[in-house]
Amino acid sequence: DAGVIQSPRHEVTEMGQEVTLRCKPISGHDYLFWYRQTMMRGLELLIYFNNNVPIDDSGMPEDRFSAKMPNASFSTLKIQPSEPRDSAVYFCASSSTGGQGVINWYGYTFGSGTRLTVV
Amino acid sequence: AQRVTQPEKLLSVFKGAPVELKCNYSYSGSPELFWYVQYSRQRLQLLLRHISRESIKGFTADLNKGETSFHLKKPFAQEEDSAMYYCALSDPGGTSYGKLTFGQGTILTVHP
Repeated sequence: DAGVIQSPRHEVTEMGQEVTLRCKPISGHDYLFWYRQTMMRGLELLIYFNNNVPIDDSGMPEDRFSAKMPNASFSTLKIQPSEPRDSAVYFCASSSTGGQGVINWYGYTFGSGTRLTVV
Repeated sequence: AQRVTQPEKLLSVFKGAPVELKCNYSYSGSPELFWYVQYSRQRLQLLLRHISRESIKGFTADLNKGETSFHLKKPFAQEEDSAMYYCALSDPGGTSYGKLTFGQGTILTVHP
C-alpha cells in the first residue's frame, strides 16, 4: 500500500482564490482526519470523518473552510476564499478500527502533507 | 478542555548526552498519550504510546498522573534523533474518539 496520498504536495495561490486539497486514505481505513501545521500553533485537528460521515468539525477555523468525503477512498478540504493566514502544511491521516471499535494507533498513518502558500 | 503543552520549542544537545523532551497535559480523566516524531522530509509517525510501556529507538516515556506529565527521555542521544517531536493526547472515552490533540512540538537537534 502506498500509504495516505495527498495532492498536491505544494500549492501557491493568490489571496481570494479557491484552493482544494485532496486525500486518498489507506484502503480499508474507516477514519480520516485533516490536520493543519503552523509554526505558531503546531498541529491542529480541523475535522475528521468516520465511515465517510463528519464526526467533529469544531477545529475548522471559519466558514471559508469546508471538507467532504464522498466515498471511502477520497476526501477534499476546500478553502474559499483563501487568505495569507491560511498558509500552512495540511496533513491528512487515516486509521481503522477493524470493526472492533478501537482505533489501531499503530496504523494511524499520516500523509506527506500539502504545503499551502497564499500570497 | 484537553490541552497538551510542550514548553520547549527548540532543544539542543550533544551526541551521547541525555535528552528529555517535556510534555504536560490537562485532561479530566484517563487519557491515552503518545509521542510522534517527524524526521526531515518524512511523514509524521508514531514513536511510542504510554499504554504500551515500550522503549523505541532507546526512547522511553512515563506517564505521571500526579504531575500530568509524559516526558520523553533517552539516556544517550544520537545524531539521527534530530527531528521534530510532538506529544499528543487522545480521549478514549469521549465523543471525539480518534481525535489527537497535539502539543506545539519540540525541535531536537543533536550535535556531533
